Amino acid sequence: DTGVSQDPRHKITKRGQNVTFRCDPISEHNRLYWYRQTLGQGPEFLTYFQNEAQLEKSRLLSDRFSAERPKGSFSTLEIQRTEQGDSAMYLCASSAQGGNSPLHFGNGTRLTVT
Amino acid sequence: KQEVTQIPAALSVPEGENLVLNCSFTDSAIYNLQWFRQDPGKGLTSLLLIQSSQREQTSGRLNASLDKSSGRSTLYIAASQPGDSATYLCAVKGDDKIIFGKGTRLHILP
Repeated sequence: DTGVSQDPRHKITKRGQNVTFRCDPISEHNRLYWYRQTLGQGPEFLTYFQNEAQLEKSRLLSDRFSAERPKGSFSTLEIQRTEQGDSAMYLCASSAQGGNSPLHFGNGTRLTVT
Repeated sequence: KQEVTQIPAALSVPEGENLVLNCSFTDSAIYNLQWFRQDPGKGLTSLLLIQSSQREQTSGRLNASLDKSSGRSTLYIAASQPGDSATYLCAVKGDDKIIFGKGTRLHILP
């Protein structure tokens, strides 16, 4: 068990480009969450998967954002036509099923849109 | 809609002091509350998780309490050390959504 891993750690892109981030959760965890965090703020919920099913999406997740977890293991978060306001840390977390299972976070992907 | 508030936003204390961080939430229908630590530019590290049926959890110099009916939790850090300097976040789990506060930035003065 190597914990939750995210790739890449940093991404710099020009406005208008598409970017994709990957998250590999802890292997036995069937729940996977994506959060976005900007400087001085707590993480904001984006979306959540149970196995391969995307069960909830925040209204923060505009139609430029899409997340997948095709086989119920790793997940990808894609942002199309990036804007400067998308610059943030994108955090992935996973947990086992059960209301009282703790959340485990990766180190995040820091996106800078120039 | 669940809202989580952490007070103070920032705190500086001399090394060796005991301190308390506060977290309040508006909807008491929660499954659990989790305290995290975040170092600059890093992800979140879980410190303690308190289930809704519990009153407190302890790990080393850390003690977290939960009063669900009043919507409050505290994180007590004993004998603070410079290595405790970080941002501390609380998060409440209701249904399947986990909502975070904005955190308390803690600076321990050597």
